[in-house]
Formats: sequence, C-alpha cells, structure tokens
Amino acid sequence: EIVMTQSPATLSLSPGGRATLSCRASQHVNNFLAWYQQKPGQAPRLLIYGASTRASGIPARFSGSGSGTEFTLTISSLQSEDFAVYYCQQYHDWPPLTFGGGTKVEI
Amino acid sequence: QVQLQESGPGLVKPSQALSLTCNVSGYSLSRAGYYWTWIRQRPGKGLEWIGFIYNTGSTHYNPSLRSRITMSLDTSENHFSLKVNSVTAADAAVYYCARAAIPPFIDYWGQGTRVTVSS
Repeated sequence: EIVMTQSPATLSLSPGGRATLSCRASQHVNNFLAWYQQKPGQAPRLLIYGASTRASGIPARFSGSGSGTEFTLTISSLQSEDFAVYYCQQYHDWPPLTFGGGTKVEI
Repeated sequence: QVQLQESGPGLVKPSQALSLTCNVSGYSLSRAGYYWTWIRQRPGKGLEWIGFIYNTGSTHYNPSLRSRITMSLDTSENHFSLKVNSVTAADAAVYYCARAAIPPFIDYWGQGTRVTVSS
C-alpha cells in the first residue's frame, strides 16, 4: 500500500497570503495524484488531477506541481473561502486508493 | 450535471450489517467509463477508500475491508449499494458515494451520510 504523507498538518496564514502544501508518496506514483478541498460539513471537492491539471471551475490561484514522490499544491493568494482542509490522493497503484492525512489551512 | 445521493439508516447496532444506497442522476450506471465508489471518513479523521464497482458489476475492494463488504449495482434503478457486515464502533463514519474517473480520481461526490454504531 502506498502511504501518502502531507505536511504541515496545519498552516496558519492571512487572506492574500501564499499557501504551499506538500504531499509525499512512499513509492513513485508518476503523476497520478489528485488534490481535494474539504470545508466543514461538506464533501470533498476535486481541485487538481494528474498532479497539475485544474478541475473544471477551479480558480487559477490553485496550482499543482510535482511528479514521482513529491508534490505541491499552491494557493497563490488566499481568499476567505479557501480556508479548509486539503487532501492529496494517489491513484497510480491500487487497490487501495490512498489519501494523505490532510493539511488544514486556517486564518 | 451528475448528482449522487446516499441513503440508509443513521444508526446500526454492533455486529449487525450496514446497508447504504447511492442514487445517481445525470449519468446512467449502465454506461462504461467510470467507477462507482464508496469512501468513508471517521469522525475528525481523513478519507478512507472502501471500494469501486464498475458498470459490468466487477468490483475492487480495499483489502483491509474486503472480508466484510459487498457492493452491488442496479442499473434499472440507477443506484449502487454498499453492505458492511459485522459492524463495530470503528465503522462509525460519514459515508460518501462518489464517481471516479479512469484512472480513478474522484470527480463527483455525494453529500455524505452519517452512520453511528451503537446498541
């Protein structure tokens, strides 16, 4: 099973700031990596797939990068609605699909 | 627009079976092209993939749960289902049904249904 590790667990930033979230895979996953955003009481929402492709309707301030075992989600200028928990997920080697433990972006 | 909606009992007794259904609108489950998925989230925790079912009825399950779960598909009703046998407190979670692309990232999610395990 591929273990996904996200860091930091919590990121405290101000609106307008730049957020850099990391995700590390225990084995190479090529670019089969997705990012999701989850707000309290809501289902996750797909942000990024293929490590760097934004999903439909996702603002350009969200960008993904990386390949192999190291990945980054960057939010260029945080808006109030971006404060949430973010998860990465690998889909290179399954079953099982595996998710990281999440990074909470807080004000 | 694809929409998914979970339904099922919110409370299950320990050792009993949990059964959930996901009603899908906006996409026919008889069509190929996507995996139909269950994912759960224990209170205050991250996301755990439970398994997929394809339009042919073929399934892929999480090895950690394989002995206790069954997924099925009803194309006439356009819904798919999950059954978890012999539940314990560790099965208490919000259960999400979802659609996964091929290769499987999750592009549509249901709103989730909370399941409590208690006598």
